[in-house]
Amino acid sequence: DAKTTQPPSMDCAEGRAANLPCNHSTISGNEYVYWYRQIHSQGPQYIIHGLKNNETNEMASLIITEDRKSSTLILPHATLRDTAVYYCIARGLQNSGSARQLTFGSGTQLTVLP
Amino acid sequence: ETGVTQSPTHLIKTRGQQVTLRCSSQSGHNTVSWYQQALGQGPQFIFQYYREEENGRGNFPPRFSGLQFPNYSSELNVNALELDDSALYLCASSSGRIANYGYTFGSGTRLTVV
Repeated sequence: DAKTTQPPSMDCAEGRAANLPCNHSTISGNEYVYWYRQIHSQGPQYIIHGLKNNETNEMASLIITEDRKSSTLILPHATLRDTAVYYCIARGLQNSGSARQLTFGSGTQLTVLP
Repeated sequence: ETGVTQSPTHLIKTRGQQVTLRCSSQSGHNTVSWYQQALGQGPQFIFQYYREEENGRGNFPPRFSGLQFPNYSSELNVNALELDDSALYLCASSSGRIANYGYTFGSGTRLTVV
């Protein structure tokens, strides 16, 4: 799986959009970009994933550059409950029965400020 | 409610002892993975079980072993505990069908080795 690079920390004002960047310059054509977050004292939570098109769900939007070397996770209206460590992971698809682990880096500590 | 429950939530053991951690996956989730998360770091992959057989392993010694049962529960066993084994141990489950969308993590077991 390709290495990803994220800033160690970011702050965001409550109610504003939080934009979390991720670099994955060595990503291969069949690797997806996944985002998870981990709120203190809880297990990681899946947020969203994408290949090359922008994706949106009820939690967030994922913008992937055309060359796929970087992406941005957008939380449109951050709340205090969004304070967490956010992990960006590049990973190929898993076939049934084959082990495809998630390779977590250090992530970005997002702090939403009141 | 995550659908994945782990027990116990906290545990203190003495160096050299053995420990068994337990995980109950969501019904129908035939894939379970275990991760170790040291303080301040991202989770590290230990191993994965699919249909009761280990099908992938990270860089962990053989004293880390596991079992997966037909009722979707699983165990992580660690023998000859070392101080560096102190960490949060996370269980994650998925079905082969939805593994590409995201794993469901439990809240973890905090193990302290003294």
